[in-house]
This record gives sequence, C-alpha cells and structure tokens, in this order.
Amino acid sequence: NAGVTQTPKFRILKIGQSMTLQCAQDMNHNYMYWYRQDPGMGLKLIYYSVGAGITDKGEVPNGYNVSRSTTEDFPLRLELAAPSQTSVYFCASSYMVGGETQYFGPGTRLLVL
Amino acid sequence: AQSVTQLGSHVSVSEGALVLLRCNYSSSVPPYLFWYVQYPNQGLQLLLKYTSAATLVKGINGFEAEFKKSETSFHLTKPSAHMSDAAEYFCAVSSAGGTSYGKLTFGQGTILTVHP
Repeated sequence: NAGVTQTPKFRILKIGQSMTLQCAQDMNHNYMYWYRQDPGMGLKLIYYSVGAGITDKGEVPNGYNVSRSTTEDFPLRLELAAPSQTSVYFCASSYMVGGETQYFGPGTRLLVL
Repeated sequence: AQSVTQLGSHVSVSEGALVLLRCNYSSSVPPYLFWYVQYPNQGLQLLLKYTSAATLVKGINGFEAEFKKSETSFHLTKPSAHMSDAAEYFCAVSSAGGTSYGKLTFGQGTILTVHP
C-alpha cells in the first residue's frame, strides 16, 4: 500500500513552459486535492475532485488545470509557467469529507525561472 | 467562510519542556479541526483531529488538543518535548456544512524548534 505518490520530486521550468504534476493513490479514495505551499502561507487549495470525471476549483485555481479520468489518478497541469507558480505542490486524498483525514503525498518542488 | 490563525510562526522550547502551539479558528457552522505535522522535505501527517466527540483529543507521539468552543480555540500541547518533535505544525479547519463543506483551510504554520 503506497498511499499517495507524486512525481516528479523536483523540477525546474522556464517561464512559459508547461508541465504535468502526477498524483496517484491506491486507497480507493473518492476525494482528491491539490494544494500549493508557500513559506509562511500554509497550504492553499488549488483544485479538488469528488470522483472520476468531477472536479472543481479551490481557492487559487488560476494558471492550473486538472482532470480525473480514473479514481486513482489526479494530474495537475501547469500551462505557461510563471515565477509566481514557484512553490511546493501537495496532492492529498480522503475517503469522505468533513471529519475525514486527508492523506498527503511527499510533494513536488517546482522552480520557475 | 472559515479561517484559522496560528499564533506564533516560530516556537522554541528546551527538551523536556511543555510544548504549546496556539490555534484559533473561525467558522459559521460546527467545525472539524485538525493538527498536521510536517517534517523537513516530507508531506503532512495527521497528529490528531476533533470531530464533535470528546473535546479533549489525544493524538500520536504524546500530543493532545482541547476544543474550546467559547474561545474558538484548538491549542496543541505536549507535556515534555523531545528532539524528534522539531517540525512545522499546521492547524486546519473543515466545516460540517455550508459552502466550505469538506474543504480544509490551513493556518500559516508554526515551526517548532527543540534545543538540548
């Protein structure tokens, strides 16, 4: 049981390039989330999904896109990378919402230059 | 809307001393409250959570937190700090209803330093 996995661990992008951050979970969780973490700011929700084919915006969705074709995978797409997207990105999943625990991946560190 | 404020971005204690990390929340509906810990270069791990059962919640590694509705607080404590407790701690709130239902809102984080 690997839990939540993320690839890559670290990436450097040039301004204007695009990339996809991969996230997968093997716990059969319905709910999946993408957060970004910036120093002193806590974590901010980018997008979330309540099941395959259903996604919705979080607090900071601009510049990102998501899709969810399977229960297991929830990739995050960055189009036209900007320096403001330099951050650490975390994927998480949970079985339900409300008081349910969210399980986090190890994170992807992204540097946009 | 919901929000979390963690008082003190850095807390420093001696090994064996009491650890107290402060968290205040705002929520228009009954909240669920969480404390997560993040060790360097790792993801977040749940320490404990309040889900409307007992107001005093015990978690892993000897940590506990008390939900105080009148003070809108959920402070994290540990009687005796250990060197391995050095990490960043996040308080988070989720709502049992309303437009924020199920969405976690995090505080800014508190970095705990433990010195010998």
